[in-house]
Amino acid sequence: EPEVTQTPSHQVTQMGQEVILRCVPISNHLYFYWYRQILGQKVEFLVSFYNNEISEKSEIFDDQFSVERPDGSNFTLKIRSTKLEDSAMYFCARDDRNNSPLHFGNGTRLTVT
Amino acid sequence: GDSVTQMEGPVTLSEEAFLTINCTYTATGYPSLFWYVQYPGEGLQLLLKATKADDKGSNKGFEATYRKETTSFHLEKGSVQVSDSAVYFCALRGNNDMRFGAGTRLTVKP
Repeated sequence: EPEVTQTPSHQVTQMGQEVILRCVPISNHLYFYWYRQILGQKVEFLVSFYNNEISEKSEIFDDQFSVERPDGSNFTLKIRSTKLEDSAMYFCARDDRNNSPLHFGNGTRLTVT
Repeated sequence: GDSVTQMEGPVTLSEEAFLTINCTYTATGYPSLFWYVQYPGEGLQLLLKATKADDKGSNKGFEATYRKETTSFHLEKGSVQVSDSAVYFCALRGNNDMRFGAGTRLTVKP
């Protein structure tokens, strides 16, 4: 059973629309991450989030993306004006401290048409 | 920056064959090393880990030893099963986010 729950499991959207992907931890954690995996390709880091602030982001994480923890529980990734190349699996992860493993959710498959 | 290079697949083996998936890394400092497995249609699951040089991680018959002198963390299993068919990712973690290799797809045939 994954330690974070992601919803929805699959989202289909039209190009130019906004999507919000959600991540809910089973227990209360401070460190969260979003990763992306384009079909059949590498798992890529997007952003890390600690104590309600972005702590690090990759070059992929441009102004189109944003993250927040609106209610102190759910952790969301928003993609504004989606593009075809945003189609991918998006994984949320949490951990306890540096050098520890990340624990991933089952992912949200985003399809942009 | 930190990076991971792993053997590109796909790898196809017969059941009970010996498996090796090579992984080497580049990092400053002393990262922790991990192998993750992704079964079809599922997310990433931690398979095993090693946090310092000469540590051996093991799980479900898989093993990997943290070799600082060769900057390697090769994954091995003595006798693979059909149920081991999946994509395997080598990863490292220093002080910040986790870096993944490109993944190696393993198919085990009966």
